[in-house]
Amino acid sequence: AQTVTQSQPEMSVQEAETVTLSCTYDTSESDYYLFWYKQPPSRQMILVIRQEAYKQQNATENRFSVNFQKAAKSFSLKISDSQLGDAAMYFCAYRSNAGKSTFGDGTTLTVKP
Amino acid sequence: DTGVSQNPRHKITKRGQNVTFRCDPISEHNRLYWYRQTLGQGPEFLTYFQNEAQLEKSRLLSDRFSAERPKGSFSTLEIQRTEQGDSAMYLCASSLAGTTDGYTFGSGTRLTVV
Repeated sequence: AQTVTQSQPEMSVQEAETVTLSCTYDTSESDYYLFWYKQPPSRQMILVIRQEAYKQQNATENRFSVNFQKAAKSFSLKISDSQLGDAAMYFCAYRSNAGKSTFGDGTTLTVKP
Repeated sequence: DTGVSQNPRHKITKRGQNVTFRCDPISEHNRLYWYRQTLGQGPEFLTYFQNEAQLEKSRLLSDRFSAERPKGSFSTLEIQRTEQGDSAMYLCASSLAGTTDGYTFGSGTRLTVV
């Protein structure tokens, strides 16, 4: 079974600075997908960014980018120019070809003004 | 389309009672997932459907939990003889099979068993 580990329960960043959230996973599959989701307090979870395992190029979505290291099974999220609205719980997720996703336990990000 | 809709938003029930939650996915999505989330934890997989077929059910799920998706549209999750340990947020998500898209989540149903 796949496992996803987020080793940072809490992180904080100063507004306008950059922060990196870590994620590692374990799998024996070669084809899969990785995602970062954001869950603001008392609000629904939304997709931030996705990465296909067969792509070597790291995904980027505006201020959000990933560092995907397939051999190391590492998938970190970098948030540049942090904004107050980025404060939330961030979940890393692994999705197999079958479609089911496995989530990490999340990292709570605090953004300080 | 208004996204994934879950009802009710909150449910308080007495231990031993049965509860049923409903999820209406995005109409174009043929996959529907149920997850459970407790405070400070990540979502835990319960079950998922492709159209009306239930493709997988977590082995952690007791026989008190059942889900169905008649006609491949909305889905219901029923918990029989609720226990205090069932208190959690129940999340529904949908996606389109064969794409690399992530999930679209609903707002969840928060269950409190007293």
